[in-house]
Amino acid sequence: NAGVTQTPKFRVLKTGQSMTLLCAQDMNHEYMYWYRQDPGMGLRLIHYSVGEGTTAKGEVPDGYNVSRLKKQNFLLGLESAAPSQTSVYFCAARGNVYEQYFGPGTRLTVT
Amino acid sequence: ELKVEQNPLFLSMQEGKNYTIYCNYSTTSDRLYWYRQDPGKSLESLFVLLSNGAVKQEGRLMASLDTKARLSTLHITAAVHDLSATYFCAGGSGGTSYGKLTFGQGTILTVHP
Repeated sequence: NAGVTQTPKFRVLKTGQSMTLLCAQDMNHEYMYWYRQDPGMGLRLIHYSVGEGTTAKGEVPDGYNVSRLKKQNFLLGLESAAPSQTSVYFCAARGNVYEQYFGPGTRLTVT
Repeated sequence: ELKVEQNPLFLSMQEGKNYTIYCNYSTTSDRLYWYRQDPGKSLESLFVLLSNGAVKQEGRLMASLDTKARLSTLHITAAVHDLSATYFCAGGSGGTSYGKLTFGQGTILTVHP
C-alpha cells in the first residue's frame, strides 16, 4: 500500500518545453488535488478533481492543465513551461473522511 | 475567499522552552489542519480540528480551535531538537468546497540546545 505516489521526483525543463506530472493513489479516494509550494507562500491549489472524469480550477490554475481519466491517476500538464513555474508540486488524495494524504512531491526547475 | 495567516513565520527556540504558533483565518472554515514538513520532504498530518473548542494533543504538541475568534493555536511544550521543522496550518471545508485546503505561509521552527 504505497498511498500517494508521484513521478518524476525531479525534473529540469527549458522555457517553452512541456511535461506531465503523474500522481497515482491506491486508496480508492474520490478527491484528488494538485498544489504547488513556493518559499514563504505555503501551498496553493492548482487544480482538483472530485471523481473520475471531472476536474476544476483552484487558486492558481493558469499555465496548467489536468486530466483524471482513471480514478487512481491525476495528471498535471505544463504545455509551455515558464521560469515562474519553478516550484515543488504536491499531489494529495482525500476520501470520505477529513484527512488529505500527500505524495512525496516533484521538484521542478524551469530554466 | 478563505485566507489563512500564521505567526510567527520564524521561530527560534531553546530546548525545554514552551511556545505557541498562531493561525488566524478570515472566513468560516469547518475544519482546521496542522501539518509538519521536514526539509525536502512531504507534509505529515499532525491534527485535524473539527469543532469549536476542539483540543488535540500528541506528545509535546497540542492544537486547539476557537471558531468564534477564527483562531487555532499549536502549543509546543518543552521543545526538543527533533521538533525542528516547518509547521503549516490549513483551513478547509466540506460540501461544495470539496475539501480544498487553504494554507498559511508556514512557521519555520528551529530548536537550539
